[in-house]
Amino acid sequence: GQQVMQIPQYQHVQEGEDFTTYCNSSTTLSNIQWYKQRPGGHPVFLIQLVKSGEVKKQKRLTFQFGEAKKNSSLHITATQTTDVGTYFCAGETGANNLFFGTGTRLTVIP
Amino acid sequence: DSGVTQTPKHLITATGQRVTLRCSPRSGDLSVYWYQQSLDQGLQFLIQYYNGEERAKGNILERFSAQQFPDLHSELNLSSLELGDSALYFCASSVFPSARAGELFFGEGSRLTVL
Repeated sequence: GQQVMQIPQYQHVQEGEDFTTYCNSSTTLSNIQWYKQRPGGHPVFLIQLVKSGEVKKQKRLTFQFGEAKKNSSLHITATQTTDVGTYFCAGETGANNLFFGTGTRLTVIP
Repeated sequence: DSGVTQTPKHLITATGQRVTLRCSPRSGDLSVYWYQQSLDQGLQFLIQYYNGEERAKGNILERFSAQQFPDLHSELNLSSLELGDSALYFCASSVFPSARAGELFFGEGSRLTVL
């Protein structure tokens, strides 16, 4: 069945270091979305990527969608303590099911 | 505040019991999604409704059922509860019928504890 895996599961970084999480799907995705969930909070939408090879930036965050539309990455430059949380990718195939990845929990050490 | 309202926020019950979780989507949103998040786990898609009709089904157990009412609020019914059903249940809404079209707005979740 559809699986969306993320690595790493956990990441601890010093404030100011960069962070990257990778998302891999077993099937081709029509699009990929990224969400952030703060500790004790609910997922909040960050961005959606649709085109093969697409790259989008939001301030210190860079999102990429792979050429084969089976993988994606989120890179944060110079992390801050406000970046703490779990980052989820979510992929949708043609079946209208939005499958969330396993998430990467980011801890930023001041 | 996402505009999605979920009640109750917390619920403690015993094995074998039945509970109902309620979700009011954002004003104007026709799609409601239900997700289950177990401790330190990802979000498991359960089911989606669009304008009152079931639109997509995920890994929803037969003991669970859901519906969307004419006023677009949705309820998730969990019966014959087991310890493993303890989780955070999120409702999300969207104006679109398809998950590919745009973002989902999540509620604060209902935390269910089964003892």
